[in-house]
Amino acid sequence: IAGITQAPTSQILAAGRRMTLRCTQDMRHNAMYWYRQDLGLGLRLIHYSNTAGTTGKGEVPDGYSVSRANTDDFPLTLASAVPSQTSVYFCASSFGRGYEQYFGPGTRLTVT
Amino acid sequence: QKEVEQNSGPLSVPEGAIASLNCTYSDRGSQSFFWYRQYSGKSPELIMSIYSNGDQEDGRFTAQLNKASQYVSLLIRDSQPSDSATYLCAVNRGASGTYKYIFGTGTRLKVLA
Repeated sequence: IAGITQAPTSQILAAGRRMTLRCTQDMRHNAMYWYRQDLGLGLRLIHYSNTAGTTGKGEVPDGYSVSRANTDDFPLTLASAVPSQTSVYFCASSFGRGYEQYFGPGTRLTVT
Repeated sequence: QKEVEQNSGPLSVPEGAIASLNCTYSDRGSQSFFWYRQYSGKSPELIMSIYSNGDQEDGRFTAQLNKASQYVSLLIRDSQPSDSATYLCAVNRGASGTYKYIFGTGTRLKVLA
């Protein structure tokens, strides 16, 4: 692994289903983030984690949950997907606040 | 007023010319500034970071920061068709602030061969 990996690459999901997007980094960064990117709206922060065991809400947290059991992994869960959650999801990490963020390749999610 | 504003473009420049991309921000407490390049269908890729007023150069890229006027710019010298992408500006309050990075919606750059 080099950098940040995300899985799956893309997914089509029926509304009401539960889905977990996976993110793993090997840079030993303390902070990790989840963004969604929608046309015309740019990147919006969903949740972040400043260190293992601690998470925080971003700009658009509703309908999403995260956990940070260890330094490397930061999964994002949609408990009951809705069509408005159709988006491209990017995971990112940084050494700490104010430092450069590095992005994973993204997950394209379509909720039907 | 958006927290981070960028002209959406497209900004078209001929190959070999200098491309100038601008970004303004509203939070005077911002301390960390970043430029990302994003190709269509790909993830953002960090190009430059700048933390103090003035210019910072890295190869063909120069980032310029003016905190008094609350703007940050990116110059791309000797523009190449491969530079055609969307460029995102991001700001953060730095080590004394939060983990929230605010992104602009990006400027689309087209370099014409």
